Amino acid sequence: AQSVAQPEDQVNVAEGNPLTVKCTYSVSGNPYLFWYVQYPNRGLQFLLKYITGDNLVKGSYGFEAEFNKSQTSFHLKKPSALVSDSALYFCAVRDLYNFNKFYFGSGTKLNVKP
Amino acid sequence: DTGVSQNPRHKITKRGQNVTFRCDPISEHNRLYWYRQTLGQGPEFLTYFQNEAQLEKSRLLSDRFSAERPKGSFSTLEIQRTEQGDSAMYLCASSSGTGRYEQYFGPGTRLTVT
Repeated sequence: AQSVAQPEDQVNVAEGNPLTVKCTYSVSGNPYLFWYVQYPNRGLQFLLKYITGDNLVKGSYGFEAEFNKSQTSFHLKKPSALVSDSALYFCAVRDLYNFNKFYFGSGTKLNVKP
Repeated sequence: DTGVSQNPRHKITKRGQNVTFRCDPISEHNRLYWYRQTLGQGPEFLTYFQNEAQLEKSRLLSDRFSAERPKGSFSTLEIQRTEQGDSAMYLCASSSGTGRYEQYFGPGTRLTVT
């Protein structure tokens, strides 16, 4: 079965410092991986995706993610955190056989302190 | 692009009552998804439509749940004989397909069953 895991419920970082939000995946083939962000009282917003090609994917709001096949990871990163980045972040993977079914992680709450 | 809208935003109902939620996707998107999200968890896939056809339905969806997408535009999700365990946020998302797998989410409908 395909799945993603987000091992940290919460990540705390100071404004201006780099941030990393971790995601590992369990997929038998080549995964399609996604990151979404959820602000309070708002729907999930797409940040970036990895389908194929360059392992470093750049997305919205200065975020990027690195696909690492050997470590089965797809960590979300940003070189310099902003207070406004504080939100709930979800990693997701597409089902290998049913292209319209997606599995989401449990989410990581990012707190960026001034 | 006015985004995905969902109505109502909040619904409080008594156990045993029926409720219906509506989702209006982005107009040019032919794919529509329903998810359920409970506190501390990521979205769980419920069902998927391509145009008006319901192509996938999760085992999470009991017989009390039904979804429709007449004419391939808006969609409704109905829960009959609600139970307290149905209390959750119900999210709708749409996508354009054609190789673009990212989804655009609505703000959700929060259901509370008393």
